[in-house]
Amino acid sequence: DTAVSQTPKYLVTQMGNDKSIKCEQNLGHDTMYWYKQDSKKFLKIMFSYNNKELIINETVPNRFSPKSPDKAHLNLHINSLELGDSAVYFCASSQDPGVDTQYFGPGTRLTVL
Amino acid sequence: RKEVEQDPGPFNVPEGATVAFNCTYSNSASQSFFWYRQDCRKEPKLLMSVYSSGNEDGRFTAQLNRASQYISLLIRDSKLSDSATYLCVVKRSGNTPLVFGKGTRLSVIA
Repeated sequence: DTAVSQTPKYLVTQMGNDKSIKCEQNLGHDTMYWYKQDSKKFLKIMFSYNNKELIINETVPNRFSPKSPDKAHLNLHINSLELGDSAVYFCASSQDPGVDTQYFGPGTRLTVL
Repeated sequence: RKEVEQDPGPFNVPEGATVAFNCTYSNSASQSFFWYRQDCRKEPKLLMSVYSSGNEDGRFTAQLNRASQYISLLIRDSKLSDSATYLCVVKRSGNTPLVFGKGTRLSVIA
């Protein structure tokens, strides 16, 4: 059984398009996260949601809009894609925001042409 | 200056070798410390937490020096399957994110 799943695994699109990445966890966790890993392999937090409420937003452009329809899902919508958005996006979850162990999804490799 | 600094490597070591990775962090409010492992084109996975008194998990030993803001990971008797990038991670208390270092790449060679 997959604990944290993401779709799609690969996404290739043109500049200016709008795209979404979906994330689901079946661990019963209350907190979910989006991370971005750029071409230099630097992994950085973007957002965190706890029980469907935004608790962390790390200076991410407002072209990125997370949406949490329920606590098992945290989707990421990106408007007006730019070349610099090309990266691997990882979703993760943890029992609660103060708990340390986070479980990561397999990642979505986004390429903007 | 990055909040978590690591030597990027790569470290190329023969099977059976002992290898040590170091990491420094700049935020003295950091409370929790970890090593994650990331295989090529895969997601990061928790390898071990790092406790103040130091801790061991099989061939892996982690140490923390709060005064120097320094964390280490020692791998004994390296296996080919240990080849990966090792990420040093710190966290402040409460609703704060994990902060990752850029990772140290290890290649264990037969």
